[in-house]
Amino acid sequence: GNSVTQMEGPVTLSEEAFLTINCTYTATGYPSLFWYVQYPGEGLQLLLKATKADDKGSNKGFEATYRKETTSFHLEKGSVQVSDSAVYFCALSDQAGNTGKLIFGQGTTLQVKP
Amino acid sequence: NAGVTQTPKFRILKIGQSMTLQCTQDMNHNYMYWYRQDPGMGLKLIYYSVGAGITDKGEVPNGYNVSRSTTEDFPLRLELAAPSQTSVYFCASSRGQGASGNTIYFGEGSWLTVV
Repeated sequence: GNSVTQMEGPVTLSEEAFLTINCTYTATGYPSLFWYVQYPGEGLQLLLKATKADDKGSNKGFEATYRKETTSFHLEKGSVQVSDSAVYFCALSDQAGNTGKLIFGQGTTLQVKP
Repeated sequence: NAGVTQTPKFRILKIGQSMTLQCTQDMNHNYMYWYRQDPGMGLKLIYYSVGAGITDKGEVPNGYNVSRSTTEDFPLRLELAAPSQTSVYFCASSRGQGASGNTIYFGEGSWLTVV
């Protein structure tokens, strides 16, 4: 079945460091791919998305490119801030039955230190 | 600017008790979902609904029930609470199918502990 695998956390970086959080997926067909962010004590918020191969999603300085050849959707940011500390979830839309359900990775905790 | 609203935010239940998590959305979305999030894990789909009167099981439906009598509301019921149901529960909604890239909006979560 469809699945999403993210790099293990936690990831600890200093402010202004470069961030990469790896995400690979297994899916049949052509799913849409998403990154969600969860700040402490809050629900998930959509960070960015890509709906077809080679699309690049971007938002708030984060970006990710839908790579079908490597089945990846790695999240990157050139210069992280303390306020980026959160849990990041990679997800894909499960197209089976066209219900639009999301399948999530296990989440990667990012901690940015001043 | 309500979006998806869940109540209660926190609840402690005793084993065998029952309760209902309420969820309402004001965006006139057809699709609604209930997920649970266990520590260190991603979210797992419990139940979903593609419109009023229509519900279906997700990955982990056992021990739960749902109903969808209106477009706005999608309550989740735990009939006989068990410690394995200790989790954070998220309600979500989307205008159309998430598969087509429609954004899924999440509530703030409900922290449930069963002791």
